Amino acid sequence: DAGVIQSPRHEVTEMGQEVTLRCKPISGHDYLFWYRQTMMRGLELLIYFNNNVPIDDSGMPEDRFSAKMPNASFSTLKIQPSEPRDSAVYFCASSRAGSGYTFGSGTRLTVV
Amino acid sequence: GDSVTQMEGPVTLSEEAFLTINCTYTATGYPSLFWYVQYPGEGLQLLLKATKADDKGSNKGFEATYRKETTSFHLEKGSVQVSDSAVYFCALSENTGGFKTIFGAGTRLFVKA
Repeated sequence: DAGVIQSPRHEVTEMGQEVTLRCKPISGHDYLFWYRQTMMRGLELLIYFNNNVPIDDSGMPEDRFSAKMPNASFSTLKIQPSEPRDSAVYFCASSRAGSGYTFGSGTRLTVV
Repeated sequence: GDSVTQMEGPVTLSEEAFLTINCTYTATGYPSLFWYVQYPGEGLQLLLKATKADDKGSNKGFEATYRKETTSFHLEKGSVQVSDSAVYFCALSENTGGFKTIFGAGTRLFVKA
């Protein structure tokens, strides 16, 4: 199994631009999570899905953030418009109920 | 609500020293407990887990025992190596509802040769 695949690995964009982060979870995992990691705030859960349905999006910081999971093998996290304070590493993780998470390698986002 | 508290880092040890990273938790139910490790530039990796009281999780020489009476899940390794330098996260997941995992703040470990 290739694990959880995220793209791109690095993204540098200008303030105000739209950013789309992508994630392919492990086949058979029915939970998908989006996290953001920064030095100041550590690891923050943004949103998670169960069987492609959003369950808890209370961690999404603002309306500028949105996430979708159109099918079991793909999810996106979109930021529009992006701001410098959105700069962070964004992780996607997937799991089966009751088991540990498998994380992707992350997308390092820099908004200038 | 549920929470995880782990010792602040960084922890600096010499190679072959004994490692303990303390972790305590607060939970309303009977959670599963986990340790994850994050190497530089990578995502978190599951290191070990325990699903019920008195269970011992172990992997790669690391171990942790689920202590319900002290609500603790301390990580230990008898002899650390330079390659163990990383950030270690303690975490819990309630076994009901959404299986959302709560992570601790992480403890950075430096191992000197």
